[in-house]
Amino acid sequence: RKEVEQDPGPFNVPEGATVAFNCTYSNSASQSFFWYRQDCRKEPKLLMSVYSSGNEDGRFTAQLNRASQYISLLIRDSKLSDSATYLCVVLGFGNEKLTFGTGTRLTIIP
Amino acid sequence: DAGVTQSPTHLIKTRGQQVTLRCSPKSGHDTVSWYQQALGQGPQFIFQYYEEEERQRGNFPDRFSGHQFPNYSSELNVNALLLGDSALYLCASSWAGVGYGYTFGSGTRLTVV
Repeated sequence: RKEVEQDPGPFNVPEGATVAFNCTYSNSASQSFFWYRQDCRKEPKLLMSVYSSGNEDGRFTAQLNRASQYISLLIRDSKLSDSATYLCVVLGFGNEKLTFGTGTRLTIIP
Repeated sequence: DAGVTQSPTHLIKTRGQQVTLRCSPKSGHDTVSWYQQALGQGPQFIFQYYEEEERQRGNFPDRFSGHQFPNYSSELNVNALLLGDSALYLCASSWAGVGYGYTFGSGTRLTVV
């Protein structure tokens, strides 16, 4: 079983739609969780951290369910500029290693 | 404030050759991690350097080695290159003891022919 699993997509959604990404992780001792965004042939960039209480940043909402070891990302009112690959990332407890999912490719259609 | 700098940006090598990739961390960061990202995959952890020593290592063969210098910059060396080593190699810097604040460089795209 992969340490971090996510649907690779692709997700092709019309502009203005709401899209949701899901991710599961296998190590219950993991301490921190993130969503990164990666544009084509570029480096990953931090989109947002994920907390059990849920957190929101504009059109983006992230949620963590520790009991189910499940992470989600919701994008509302999607824009063309949201087209990218979204990576689910987990930081293990007691170490500095980031473990990435395969990434979910999102294309917003005009 | 300069972010993470990697060089070269692109590289083409022949099977069996050796390659050295370089990384300068973001100002104030003292820890450097290296990741390999194959096409269509997420980045995979290679190793991490702190205080000039390898602190952690992922599931990569000994052909992959590294070094960290007193100024915190780092090198990744790959010997006996295989076609499967073709990938984007990413360097990420951070500050030791802090689980957040990773900054990635733009990467070195290595093609092995």
